[in-house]
Amino acid sequence: LAKTTQPISMDSYEGQEVNITCSHNNIATNDYITWYQQFPSQGPRFIIQGYKTKVTNEVASLFIPADRKSSTLSLPRVSLSDTAVYYCLVVENSGYALNFGKGTSLLVTP
Amino acid sequence: GAGVSQSPSNKVTEKGKDVELRCDPISGHTALYWYRQSLGQGLEFLIYFQGNSAPDKSGLPSDRFSAERTGGSVSTLTIQRTQQEDSAVYLCASSLARAQETQYFGPGTRLLVL
Repeated sequence: LAKTTQPISMDSYEGQEVNITCSHNNIATNDYITWYQQFPSQGPRFIIQGYKTKVTNEVASLFIPADRKSSTLSLPRVSLSDTAVYYCLVVENSGYALNFGKGTSLLVTP
Repeated sequence: GAGVSQSPSNKVTEKGKDVELRCDPISGHTALYWYRQSLGQGLEFLIYFQGNSAPDKSGLPSDRFSAERTGGSVSTLTIQRTQQEDSAVYLCASSLARAQETQYFGPGTRLLVL
């Protein structure tokens, strides 16, 4: 299983851009990088997934360098409602056991 | 359409009792997962069902834990002889076909063992 490492917590003010970086040094060739968001008392929900370079959707952007040993989730102009835990996962194309880890707890304040 | 549903939403039980937790996945989803989340912790994988294949039980913490999936749809997670350390939120998720695809989570069942 590819292990991921991400910061335990981050703080930001409203309106700022937040970048959360995840390390996955032993990612395999066919693995995908996926990010989930979890609000208190709710199950996680999918944010974005990518394989390489950059992926953007209405919620976030995901930057993946050429070596794919890390990835950065970028949240533009965060609001208070973006306060949540963000999980970085390496989804193995050949496997299925998923390790969510402890995620990054993001606190957005006014 | 309806999302993943779980019941009960909350369960309080006494140490030593058995509990059953239910998960109704999204219709048509062949993959189903159970996770456990203790207070302030990340998600711990428990078990994975994929279609008619034998489930991956590698995450179950002890033989007191078991799960079934009947007819490829509803799943039940059973914890026998509950212990206080079993207290956690139990989350169920489903995906269309494989773990590589987006998982849709239910609201969870909050289990408290006294």
